[in-house]
Parts: sequence; C-alpha cells; structure tokens
Amino acid sequence: DVKVTQSSRYLVKRTGEKVFLECVQDMDHENMFWYRQDPGLGLRLIYFSYDVKMKEKGDIPEGYSVSREKKERFSLILESASTNQTSMYLCASNPTGGYGYTFGSGTRLTVV
Amino acid sequence: AQSVAQPEDQVNVAEGNPLTVKCTYSVSGNPYLFWYVQYPNRGLQFLLKYITGDNLVKGSYGFEAEFNKSQTSFHLKKPSALVSDSALYFCAVKSAGNMLTFGGGTRLMVKP
Repeated sequence: DVKVTQSSRYLVKRTGEKVFLECVQDMDHENMFWYRQDPGLGLRLIYFSYDVKMKEKGDIPEGYSVSREKKERFSLILESASTNQTSMYLCASNPTGGYGYTFGSGTRLTVV
Repeated sequence: AQSVAQPEDQVNVAEGNPLTVKCTYSVSGNPYLFWYVQYPNRGLQFLLKYITGDNLVKGSYGFEAEFNKSQTSFHLKKPSALVSDSALYFCAVKSAGNMLTFGGGTRLMVKP
C-alpha cells in the first residue's frame, strides 16, 4: 500500500522554537508539497520540491523553509514558531506527469 | 491562472436523499479536475478525477461527478447519502507543472 507518512499527528510547540515537520513517501515520486489548511482559507501551498535539493516557494512561504536531501523525504521547518502558524499541515506527493496527489494524514500543530 | 470555486461552505442533506456538491472551474486549455474528501483530523483522500472521455466519472464510495464544459462545472453527486459521507470535500484543478489548485472546501452534513 503506497504511502505518504507524516511523522506526527499532533504537535505542541512554544513560541520561538524551531520546529521540524517530516514527510516521507515510499512511491519514488519526484514531486512533494507542503500545504497548510485553515478554516475558511482552504489549502494554501507553502513550498514544493520537484527533485532532490530543489525547492520552490508557494503562495505563503514566509516564516518557513524546507529541506529535501533525499528523494523520499521532504521536511518543513519553522525557523521561529509563532502563534499564527498554528494550523493543520499537509504533505503530498505525485510523480512527474502524474495526475493528482497522495496526501499524508496531516500534522496538527499548535504553537503556544 | 487556473482556479476552482466551491460556492457553498456547507451542504445539508438527509440520509437516503441524493446529494450534490458544486464546483466550477476556470482554466486555459483542457481541464484536469479532481475531488478529494477529508475526514476529521485526517489528510485528503482521492475520490475521482476527470482527465478526458465520458462526462460522467465514477469514483470511490459510490460518488460520481459530472463534467460540463459549457457551464465550466464539475459537480460531485451521490444518489443516496449516508451519514458516514459527512466530511469536508475539496474540488481541485491541475495547474502549473504538477501542482493542484484547490477550492475552499464544502462541508457536507448528512443527517439521519
């Protein structure tokens, strides 16, 4: 069964902490994505990557960075967490030329 | 730019009745359209897609969607709703490269 796995379902962090959200896919997909989901705002793209060590900014990259050192792993980094980054974070992947995404189960991050 | 709109924040339907969740799109070129479902505190699950071919697309859990080019719509339908269909539904369109652009989501409430 193909999978996108996000390391944490729920996470609580303090303001100012550096936070790492991990995503791993086992489908050998080239493309990986990070979204955040907020009520009334739908899904907003933070960053995406189409290859190892490659990254592109999405619609709301401010306050975030990403790392893709291996094809299967795409990490989202909150350099200094703030309360307005409390949200549901969704990772997804797809193959180049493919249609649609496979999503992880999501990480609900609370910054206090 | 490609975009989708889901005009209803919430749809209420009684169990056993037919349901429709609306989606309209705006694209240049041929549209590639998708529906996803999200259950509470989970990631998004693929329901169905339209790439080409028949205007009526059948998907998972008894859902189907009708592609209407003249009305630029891709409404999600089910002949008989179940309480377990209650969830958040997202319409999406393939945009630049390998990315999807999502609508704002529609919450479906099926009452016994």
